[in-house]
Amino acid sequence: QKEVEQDPGPLSVPEGAIVSLNCTYSNSAFQYFMWYRQYSRKGPELLMYTYSSGNKEDGRFTAQVDKSSKYISLFIRDSQPSDSATYLCAMTSTNAGKSTFGDGTTLTVKP
Amino acid sequence: ETGVTQSPTHLIKTRGQQVTLRCSSQSGHNTVSWYQQALGQGPQFIFQYYREEENGRGNFPPRFSGLQFPNYSSELNVNALELDDSALYLCASSLTGRGLWGDGYTFGSGTRLTVV
Repeated sequence: QKEVEQDPGPLSVPEGAIVSLNCTYSNSAFQYFMWYRQYSRKGPELLMYTYSSGNKEDGRFTAQVDKSSKYISLFIRDSQPSDSATYLCAMTSTNAGKSTFGDGTTLTVKP
Repeated sequence: ETGVTQSPTHLIKTRGQQVTLRCSSQSGHNTVSWYQQALGQGPQFIFQYYREEENGRGNFPPRFSGLQFPNYSSELNVNALELDDSALYLCASSLTGRGLWGDGYTFGSGTRLTVV
């Protein structure tokens, strides 16, 4: 079983919808949590990072971490067609360069 | 535009051959990590280099090896290629001495390796 499981998708929503992306994990040593966005034929791009449990908001994006449930989420408000991409959760106990990634959720936002 | 450049962008090799992939990081980025991303999967950590020394390794066999140079470039070498080595290989670099998560990592666009 993988250390990080991500809702597989794909996900298709209309423009303006609220999107919820989720990951669960099994390693209780993870304490740094990240969300990346990856466009086709590109490397992942860091969207948000969070330390330990709690919420973090950045514009239309909100990241939530619940360490007691080993569950993390990314919410996208007022989704736009430009948000269409694959979203990867990642986490680490040491530094972000040694992250364990989920397999990604592909999101399509339709105009 | 990303400050991390990888070459070549695509490569086709035959099983059993050896391959070298290259990564050029931004000036000052003294931490570089390499990842393997198979189709439809997330990146898997191969190893990290900090100031030209290996600083952690994932679950990859010794035929995966690396080098980091003083000019902020690095290499990933894979010997005795297998069909399952076909994947996108990503490098990611960070400015912070130990690549602390807060600085984030900048990924290159990757090298697509196909082993036939």
